[in-house]
Amino acid sequence: SAVISQKPSRDICQRGTSLTIQCQVDSQVTMMFWYRQQPGQSLTLIATANQGSEATYESGFVIDKFPISRPNLTFSTLTVSNMSPEDSSIYLCSVEDGDRGEQYFGPGTRLTVT
Amino acid sequence: AQSVTQLDSQVPVFEEAPVELRCNYSSSVSVYLFWYVQYPNQGLQLLLKYLSGSTLVKGINGFEAEFNKSQTSFHLRKPSVHISDTAEYFCAVDPPSGSARQLTFGSGTQLTVLP
Repeated sequence: SAVISQKPSRDICQRGTSLTIQCQVDSQVTMMFWYRQQPGQSLTLIATANQGSEATYESGFVIDKFPISRPNLTFSTLTVSNMSPEDSSIYLCSVEDGDRGEQYFGPGTRLTVT
Repeated sequence: AQSVTQLDSQVPVFEEAPVELRCNYSSSVSVYLFWYVQYPNQGLQLLLKYLSGSTLVKGINGFEAEFNKSQTSFHLRKPSVHISDTAEYFCAVDPPSGSARQLTFGSGTQLTVLP
């Protein structure tokens, strides 16, 4: 299974600022996913990031608010821009193992916006 | 489009008792089914999955789930729970075909094992 790390593990930010979350995988993967988990809620897919192409955003999420980079097959970043308290969530990245039909998740980044 | 319903938001159970966490899904196509567990302040860990074949699937930590196509259910069971099983459990579905794998999660069930 893939091993995924995320940085930072948690952060407290002021409203109006931006935070970039990094996701590193120990193997090359085609597709990476970014999810948001609001307090006490389930996971919601933000976008799918393929290397070499623009990320595909789900309904309700836009690139200006959540720009994503995917410079290579083992790394991706998600930026939460112009933050407000409503952005306080856990942000998780995941990767797909197509052969096994599984997704593996990183430990998450716990973001609090004050 | 698919959706997942976890009917029980919270399930308290005493240690060593059996437990069942319910999951129902709706989809116009066949799906892959998953159960994930999230321990406090941690990411998601795959418990088990159903892709095809036997409808009874065994996972880690003594959990198992049964796929019932006619009832569109994928309930999670454990015959005897431990304190360490206290966690949030998420059921998820994923279409096996198509250009992108996009997991759709249920709202989660908080399992609390009481001493």
